Amino acid sequence: EPEVTQTPSHQVTQMGQEVILRCVPISNHLYFYWYRQILGQKVEFLVSFYNNEISEKSEIFDDQFSVERPDGSNFTLKIRSTKLEDSAMYFCASNLDRGEKLFFGSGTQLSVL
Amino acid sequence: KNEVEQSPQNLTAQEGEFITINCSYSVGISALHWLQQHPGGGIVSLFMLSSGKKKHGRLIATINIQEKHSSLHITASHPRDSAVYICAASTGANSKLTFGKGITLSVRP
Repeated sequence: EPEVTQTPSHQVTQMGQEVILRCVPISNHLYFYWYRQILGQKVEFLVSFYNNEISEKSEIFDDQFSVERPDGSNFTLKIRSTKLEDSAMYFCASNLDRGEKLFFGSGTQLSVL
Repeated sequence: KNEVEQSPQNLTAQEGEFITINCSYSVGISALHWLQQHPGGGIVSLFMLSSGKKKHGRLIATINIQEKHSSLHITASHPRDSAVYICAASTGANSKLTFGKGITLSVRP
């Protein structure tokens, strides 16, 4: 079965540093998402992306966050100046159409020290 | 704002038992998703349903729209079913999901 792949699986960074989390969605999918899960808490929606623009974002997704689909296959989440509270597992997901089954990547564990 | 609640929070079962995990939500939804999360952290979509019942192998998911309630049933449970089971709701024609906290299921041999 096709997979959503995420790299790296673990990322450790210093507070204030920029990080880029990378995702390769399933090739024919059109809708892309980032979710995150802080340890012990619920998974939370960050942003959805379609047709090269953000279609919806949550309150968490402030000016420190940005997303990009730079080359038609990768989908990236950038955090400009990381904070301790950004430490979480970040999941990328994609689907063929809105309201269709979502396919999740295996996540990137981000640790901000 | 949709709230998604799951019960029980933790569940231990003996191999072979029939297991039911419940999920309730507070506002109307377009679809209810059941997801499985293993200790490594990856999330796998099990079901997406907006009405009635779906079955896949030993897993059955049901939803009652009027009661705003869904259940995930596992028949003939096996230790490999041990995982966190999460329900998540989507509203409108999008896949922005509101997640429940998840139930940690342990199936003992």
